[in-house]
Amino acid sequence: GQNIDQPTEMTATEGAIVQINCTYQTSGFNGLFWYQQHAGEAPTFLSYNVLDGLEEKGRFSSFLSRSKGYSYLLLKELQMKDSASYLCANDRGSTLGRLYFGRGTQLTVWP
Amino acid sequence: GAVVSQHPSRVICKSGTSVKIECRSLDFQATTMFWYRQFPKKSLMLMATSNEGSKATYEQGVEKDKFLINHASLTLSTLTVTSAHPEDSSFYICSADPGQGADTQYFGPGTRLTVL
Repeated sequence: GQNIDQPTEMTATEGAIVQINCTYQTSGFNGLFWYQQHAGEAPTFLSYNVLDGLEEKGRFSSFLSRSKGYSYLLLKELQMKDSASYLCANDRGSTLGRLYFGRGTQLTVWP
Repeated sequence: GAVVSQHPSRVICKSGTSVKIECRSLDFQATTMFWYRQFPKKSLMLMATSNEGSKATYEQGVEKDKFLINHASLTLSTLTVTSAHPEDSSFYICSADPGQGADTQYFGPGTRLTVL
């Protein structure tokens, strides 16, 4: 595989904060993406990190450490509709856009 | 936002037949499109990069003669699964790259292929 690792499942309650971690292989790194995917649907774009640091976008934030090959997605003020699979994807190699996905983290938000 | 469509959304076919899946970018042009495959509860796996006007680039382990890709125009790429077998049953998803510094490629809604 492409050595992208993220937890398989997570649960949280409405209104809470959850952090989904992702580690990846650093060679040939071009950027790190997070997508949300509901069952049977296509992934939808959440964030893109290429530089170290935190990118905040509303309730969702994403962090990247290039040297550590580490990223996390932070979801605040969780809502029931946030129950989905969250995919970490690494853009690697000489051709931009070739994404290598992790298995996805299935997040369940309870009332 | 940018819209990518796929047709058909679902297809059931008999073993040994060929199935064509279309991927269209509806409101932008895409020199590059990508084809992914996703098995149940598994990750999306990149199959190939589809380049308008040139041959597709396949990932290691993907048979180019089995999964034929044609990128005939800047808005259309097709994936043909030839001589399909039950193990080819999967969710096939395409994405299109708008280029011009776009942060992300845009994914189609996917095609559920079931081979009997």
